[in-house]
Amino acid sequence: AQKITQTQPGMFVQEKEAVTLDCTYDTSDPSYGLFWYKQPSSGEMIFLIYQGSYDQQNATEGRYSLNFQKARKSANLVISASQLGDSAMYFCAVGGYQKVTFGTGTKLQVIP
Amino acid sequence: DSGVTQTPKHLITATGQRVTLRCSPRSGDLSVYWYQQSLDQGLQFLIQYYNGEERAKGNILERFSAQQFPDLHSELNLSSLELGDSALYFCASSLTGEGSDEQFFGPGTRLTVL
Repeated sequence: AQKITQTQPGMFVQEKEAVTLDCTYDTSDPSYGLFWYKQPSSGEMIFLIYQGSYDQQNATEGRYSLNFQKARKSANLVISASQLGDSAMYFCAVGGYQKVTFGTGTKLQVIP
Repeated sequence: DSGVTQTPKHLITATGQRVTLRCSPRSGDLSVYWYQQSLDQGLQFLIQYYNGEERAKGNILERFSAQQFPDLHSELNLSSLELGDSALYFCASSLTGEGSDEQFFGPGTRLTVL
């Protein structure tokens, strides 16, 4: 079974500040992947970052980094130097053997 | 641009009707997923195909069906439509179809049932 929990339905951050979006997961698969997607108001789902369960280092992609703490089953997304264009819904997902489960999302609003 | 295409972009129809949504995966991807996103249900996984075969089934209603063709494009058929079927329908594709493989989403089809 898989489960994703995103406890922050909404968050505000000041432009140029860093922000952390929380995600905890549960899975019975020994090997799995963790993903973050961004959904702006226009509706498309944009892949941001991926972390494999056996990766030793935390994933980074530009201003995005994934703070992976396997023992705590957490995969928080850190966005550095927030920009107005970062305002969107953010979804965390866990993928294991033949199954991917998405969280309910966090709505991030960047304030000028 | 993810490389996944979906048509049509918008669809407005009446209750009781049948519609077909179409998806073309990224070049080289063998697996296609269908999701439904509505305001009250979040992102719900419907069904997955890999190289023409059904691989996994989620919360797909019996009124809905899908298939993946030899050229790897996929179609989602929705019949006997109800008001509650109004939603954004996404197609996603991945290379291997394994859950640990990143999925790339199409732009979605917004279905409105009146």
